[in-house]
Amino acid sequence: AAGVIQSPRHLIKEKRETATLKCYPIPRHDTVYWYQQGPGQDPQFLISFYEKMQSDKGSIPDRFSAQQFSDYHSELNMSSLELGDSALYFCASSLGGVLPHEQYFGPGTRLTVT
Amino acid sequence: DQQVKQNSPSLSVQEGRISILNCDYTNSMFDYFLWYKKYPAEGPTFLISISSIKDKNEDGRFTVFLNKSAKHLSLHIVPSQPGDSAVYFCAGGGANNLFFGTGTRLTVIP
Repeated sequence: AAGVIQSPRHLIKEKRETATLKCYPIPRHDTVYWYQQGPGQDPQFLISFYEKMQSDKGSIPDRFSAQQFSDYHSELNMSSLELGDSALYFCASSLGGVLPHEQYFGPGTRLTVT
Repeated sequence: DQQVKQNSPSLSVQEGRISILNCDYTNSMFDYFLWYKKYPAEGPTFLISISSIKDKNEDGRFTVFLNKSAKHLSLHIVPSQPGDSAVYFCAGGGANNLFFGTGTRLTVIP
């Protein structure tokens, strides 16, 4: 079965640069979530979208923005990168109207800021 | 403020025996609770969920119990298999986001 796809899998950026992470949800899933997992920490919710509209916002810095496109894929844009942004970024998707709570995660993008 | 807590960072169990992973939460507004399994370098894999209106949900070798009065849930794996060795995350939340615990590393000894 198709899973959540994230690209790139690894990304190395320097401080103050920008990064764009992409997420392709499971086919027919209409809800996308972004999480940040720092070293040795649990995943922290950043932001979610349902039917291309932002549905909830967590601990996402103002330097970050995200959107969901008409094909339901989502992009997380990160600007003015800081060393503390180095983390594993997970995208998850769900079928919002039916089983909104069953989130299926992608493999993650490991971002390293140097 | 950690809304979901897993107080045992690790657990070792003999193959064939029962594994019990515990989770406590503070937010009584959570609609659902979920368990995820995570291998290194992979995203969390959804295992089983339970609605806040139920007290038990079973799926094969996995059973989740919810005690709302105690704000506690547990995952039982019976029988445990070496392939179950991974980090298990408990999560609580609703439709729009999830709050994760810090994880419990389960090691099933052959």
